[in-house]
Amino acid sequence: AQTVTQSQPEMSVQEAETVTLSCTYDTSESDYYLFWYKQPPSRQMILVIRQEAYKQQNATENRFSVNFQKAAKSFSLKISDSQLGDAAMYFCAYRRGANFGNEKLTFGTGTRLTIIP
Amino acid sequence: GAVVSQHPSRVICKSGTSVKIECRSLDFQATTMFWYRQFPKQSLMLMATSNEGSKATYEQGVEKDKFLINHASLTLSTLTVTSAHPEDSSFYICSAEPGHLGETQYFGPGTRLLVL
Repeated sequence: AQTVTQSQPEMSVQEAETVTLSCTYDTSESDYYLFWYKQPPSRQMILVIRQEAYKQQNATENRFSVNFQKAAKSFSLKISDSQLGDAAMYFCAYRRGANFGNEKLTFGTGTRLTIIP
Repeated sequence: GAVVSQHPSRVICKSGTSVKIECRSLDFQATTMFWYRQFPKQSLMLMATSNEGSKATYEQGVEKDKFLINHASLTLSTLTVTSAHPEDSSFYICSAEPGHLGETQYFGPGTRLLVL
């Protein structure tokens, strides 16, 4: 079974600084997707970024980027120029590849990010 | 992105009553929807996978007779908590995966259930 591990229950960063959230996963599959979702106090789950395992290039979305190390099964999220609105719970998630149809997500336990003004 | 709605956003009910939560995909069709439960300060726990036109697939340990799922159309799935008890109080979230946006799940805003 696939597992996703987030080893940092809480992180904090000064506003405008950069922070990296860690995520490791375990799978025997070669085709899969990885995601970072944020859950602010409203509890709405919001997609931050996604990475296809077959792509070597790291995904980026504005201030958010990932460091995808497939051999190490590591998928960290870097937030640059942190803003107060980035304060949230961040979940790393894994999904098996498209060949298996609509697949469920496996979530990590989350990292609570605090932004210090 | 894609939009998923849930109704109601919060509900309070008496112990022993049933509560229905609706999950709708507003701008896409979803043959599959997912139902999660989230306890305070914890991660999401998948309860079941809802399949349009067929029976839902429940995760181990989830009582299918207590959490009834009906996926009646390509845009609507419902979760009914039957004979609710205080221990069913939780935050329930649904999600769906629009095929045209790749293999990405989009989530509803969630429903907070409080059973008195």
